[in-house]
Amino acid sequence: AQSVAQPEDQVNVAEGNPLTVKCTYSVSGNPYLFWYVQYPNRGLQFLLKYITGDNLVKGSYGFEAEFNKSQTSFHLKKPSALVSDSALYFCAVREHKPDRGSTLGRLYFGRGTQLTVWP
Amino acid sequence: DAGVTQSPTHLIKTRGQQVTLRCSPKSGHDTVSWYQQALGQGPQFIFQYYEEEERQRGNFPDRFSGHQFPNYSSELNVNALLLGDSALYLCASSLRQGRQPQHFGDGTRLSIL
Repeated sequence: AQSVAQPEDQVNVAEGNPLTVKCTYSVSGNPYLFWYVQYPNRGLQFLLKYITGDNLVKGSYGFEAEFNKSQTSFHLKKPSALVSDSALYFCAVREHKPDRGSTLGRLYFGRGTQLTVWP
Repeated sequence: DAGVTQSPTHLIKTRGQQVTLRCSPKSGHDTVSWYQQALGQGPQFIFQYYEEEERQRGNFPDRFSGHQFPNYSSELNVNALLLGDSALYLCASSLRQGRQPQHFGDGTRLSIL
């Protein structure tokens, strides 16, 4: 069964320091991996995705993520955190089955990690 | 270019009532998915519609039903509301073919009294 784990409910970091939000996943086929961010009383906003290719993926607002197949991880990173990065972050996985000819598929989400960047 | 729009933004109902939530997908998208996000949890997949048919369904009872219209917009219906149905209901749209991510609306906050 597909699943996503975000082992940290909260991550606290000082502004200007690097940040990492962890994510591990489990799928039976090839994974499509995503990071979304949610601000209070808002929906989910797409940050970045890994489909195939380079293991280091760059996304919006200076975020990047590293895909590690052997560790089944997809950690979100940013070299220098901003106070405005404070939000709830979700990792999600979608199973890709190329033999079915479509990437139609549900997303499986982690429980989320609350990131707080303090000045 | 309008993104995913959902209505209403907030809704208060009592147990046993029925509710209909609405979603208009991002322009150019043909697939709509619905998710339930309980407080402090990640979104849980309810179902997905494409070509006006339910294509996938998560672990939700038959009280949850939906519909997709020819213009790709969608409705989520919940009957016999329970207190546990209180949540943020998110609609996401995407293209069936391709590798693009699902785009989410801001959701409908449903409170059951």
